[in-house]
Amino acid sequence: ETGVTQTPRHLVMGMTNKKSLKCEQHLGHNAMYWYKQSAKKPLELMFVYSLEERVENNSVPSRFSPECPNSSHLFLHLHTLQPEDSALYLCASSQVRGYEAFFGQGTRLTVV
Amino acid sequence: DQQVKQNSPSLSVQEGRISILNCDYTNSMFDYFLWYKKYPAEGPTFLISISSIKDKNEDGRFTVFLNKSAKHLSLHIVPSQPGDSAVYFCAASGDSWGKLQFGAGTQVVVTP
Repeated sequence: ETGVTQTPRHLVMGMTNKKSLKCEQHLGHNAMYWYKQSAKKPLELMFVYSLEERVENNSVPSRFSPECPNSSHLFLHLHTLQPEDSALYLCASSQVRGYEAFFGQGTRLTVV
Repeated sequence: DQQVKQNSPSLSVQEGRISILNCDYTNSMFDYFLWYKKYPAEGPTFLISISSIKDKNEDGRFTVFLNKSAKHLSLHIVPSQPGDSAVYFCAASGDSWGKLQFGAGTQVVVTP
């Protein structure tokens, strides 16, 4: 399998639930990203991991917790989310100091 | 503060004609620009890019033009095909991590 794979594709969760989004890349890249796309808004960068270390956190609330156990895997742990967190969450990867990020298909998250 | 702007939320064009998508940016540190295409329920797909040292890059039906003095870039698609109907995102990068700033996107509809 090649490219960037995200699971699950769709997720509905209550505000008190804990869930995790998973991302896996098979491109040999060493940087991974979480983006959020809300309706009618640009993609917003949430987190950047380079060589498995978090290098950027764009003022994201602590109810979102990323984890990067190795260069191929990235998780986004979700806890006590709000309905306004409902969005499409996209994972991407690239080479460090490369520019072309490759995206997964996204997880459509609905918080009820 | 949005550093990458796509001021046209939608564009309708006839099959066979030229589609022109525009993008403006404000950060003079951006040195690499990309266009992504996105179909519903899928992640963005890289389309074409241009470095700030060039003013034009061409790949088949797609050409990107960069005007650094005006901080403006455009994507030309010619001839437009029905399969080109999608949302097109302009993105810019200016750091070594490959972090991308995205515009809000332009919905292109190609009619027969």
